[in-house]
Amino acid sequence: AQSVTQLDSQVPVFEEAPVELRCNYSSSVSVYLFWYVQYPNQGLQLLLKYLSGSTLVKGINGFEAEFNKSQTSFHLRKPSVHISDTAEYFCAVSRPGGSYIPTFGRGTSLIVHP
Amino acid sequence: NAGVTQTPKFQVLKTGQSMTLQCAQDMNHNSMYWYRQDPGMGLRLIYYSASEGTTDKGEVPNGYNVSRLNKREFSLRLESAAPSQTSVYFCASSEGQGGFEELFFGEGSRLTVL
Repeated sequence: AQSVTQLDSQVPVFEEAPVELRCNYSSSVSVYLFWYVQYPNQGLQLLLKYLSGSTLVKGINGFEAEFNKSQTSFHLRKPSVHISDTAEYFCAVSRPGGSYIPTFGRGTSLIVHP
Repeated sequence: NAGVTQTPKFQVLKTGQSMTLQCAQDMNHNSMYWYRQDPGMGLRLIYYSASEGTTDKGEVPNGYNVSRLNKREFSLRLESAAPSQTSVYFCASSEGQGGFEELFFGEGSRLTVL
């Protein structure tokens, strides 16, 4: 079975600074990887996903993530954050042809300070 | 375009009471899911339905039952609520079972069991 580890439970950052949210997964086979965002008092929505091909994936709101197979990582980055990026971010993994239901990490709370 | 609609949004129960959380999607999706979200635990899968007429247990099914009433609706029932079931419950849907599909989430149902 696959699993996901989000290494930071909380990441504080100042507005306009860059940010990286870390995600590592464990699986012995090919995986699909996702980042979801949850704004306060809302459901989750998809930021971006990696299925195959280019290891650099661009998503909504200026976010991007890089798939690194050798390090089993899928870190999320943004070069310059805004106050409105304050939210909970979840990394998720699923497997083609196997356990298709995504397994979610515990979440990272991004707090952007003015 | 409603997407995934959950009712009720808030509920307070006493220990031992029963209730049903309703979920409906208007995207003609085949698969539907119920997750619970607890602080520091991320999202944990309670039950899922791969297609109309089928339901399966997820990671934390104890104390819950589900019904896939038709393709649109997937309800979650607590027969005898316990304080440990205090949580935020999310319903989600996806087009299929390939593992690469995006999950669409409702806005959540906040349940408190006293």
